[in-house]
Amino acid sequence: QKEVEQNSGPLSVPEGAIASLNCTYSDRGSQSFFWYRQYSGKSPELIMSIYSNGDKEDGRFTAQLNKASQYVSLLIRDSQPSDSATYLCASRSGGYNKLIFGAGTRLAVHP
Amino acid sequence: ETGVTQSPTHLIKTRGQQVTLRCSSQSGHNTVSWYQQALGQGPQFIFQYYREEENGRGNFPPRFSGLQFPNYSSELNVNALELDDSALYLCASSFQTLPDEQYFGPGTRLTVT
Repeated sequence: QKEVEQNSGPLSVPEGAIASLNCTYSDRGSQSFFWYRQYSGKSPELIMSIYSNGDKEDGRFTAQLNKASQYVSLLIRDSQPSDSATYLCASRSGGYNKLIFGAGTRLAVHP
Repeated sequence: ETGVTQSPTHLIKTRGQQVTLRCSSQSGHNTVSWYQQALGQGPQFIFQYYREEENGRGNFPPRFSGLQFPNYSSELNVNALELDDSALYLCASSFQTLPDEQYFGPGTRLTVT
């Protein structure tokens, strides 16, 4: 059973819209959560980290964490075609710095 | 650019051979983690090195082994290569204490034929 679940997509949104990406996790002991962006053929790039319940905003990105529901989300405001990529959700699990990744959601922003 | 470097960029090997991949961590980071990413999947944790010792291992067989050097750089060795070992191998560096953000290198694309 997967420990971090994401909808594979593709999620298609028009330019300028809000893209909403969702992720659930099964390990209640997870303490830290991360969103990575991965362009085709490239390595994952860290875009957001969140550790506490609630919202965390950074520019056009907002990460939301609800530990009671074991749910993490990423909102991208004013989506641009350059945001088209696969978005990976990850949780830190265990006593060491091991990341558990979901399979990723492919986002397509069309002009 | 994260400051994490990996070599080589691409590699083609034959089944049964051995391969060594290399990683230099970002300045100031003392922890290196290795991940395997198959096509269409998220990265899977192989193992982590902290202070030159293995500090956790994922569900990978013993033919996957590693090293960390005093300058925190690291190697991943894979023996007896199998076709399923074809993947993108990612190295991530971090500092052991919070914040525990991991930054990935560009990866090594390994193809086993």
